[in-house]
Amino acid sequence: QQKVQQSPESLSVPEGGMASLNCTSSDRNFQYFWWYRQHSGEGPKALMSIFSDGDKKEGRFTAHLNKASLHVSLHIRDSQPSDSALYFCAASEANSGTYQRFGTGTKLQVVP
Amino acid sequence: EAAVTQSPRNKVTVTGGNVTLSCRQTNSHNYMYWYRQDTGHGLRLIHYSYGAGNLQIGDVPDGYKATRTTQEDFFLLLELASPSQTSLYFCASSPGQSNERLFFGHGTKLSVL
Repeated sequence: QQKVQQSPESLSVPEGGMASLNCTSSDRNFQYFWWYRQHSGEGPKALMSIFSDGDKKEGRFTAHLNKASLHVSLHIRDSQPSDSALYFCAASEANSGTYQRFGTGTKLQVVP
Repeated sequence: EAAVTQSPRNKVTVTGGNVTLSCRQTNSHNYMYWYRQDTGHGLRLIHYSYGAGNLQIGDVPDGYKATRTTQEDFFLLLELASPSQTSLYFCASSPGQSNERLFFGHGTKLSVL
């Protein structure tokens, strides 16, 4: 069973629009969350992390974490065609020696 | 930017064949990982290591062996390849704890016929 679920599977937004991606964990031990982005033909690259409840903003990207509901989201404002990619949420426990578990991914297409 | 290099980029083998995927990182990271990527499953961890000679089991280890020969080099071995192992394989490294960012290679596309 996948411990990290993402929705939607795919998303299409107009250029300049807002894209919202969701991630839910089924394991309350997960305390740390990362968002990764993967362009076609490349490996995933880390976008941003969020470890505390609330919002974290980095440029056009805002992550939101609610540990009580085990929900994390990523919002991309002023979406650009270069944001078209596969986005992964990853979660890990607080204990050392553990590893990040990835979600199923959301494919984002930004239409010019 | 941390550098993780995988080889080969593409590999085709037959059922029952022997395959070795290679990964090298040049940033003195302690942790190295092997993930497989499949549509509908995302990235799933096969094996990982926190140093030379160390090996830890991930979520989908069946049918795979791995070996960390040095701080830099991590290998994934498929000794009797099966069609179910057709996938995109990624190697990654990180400095230490599980909450630190992962640096991924470009991936190896493996087809088992």
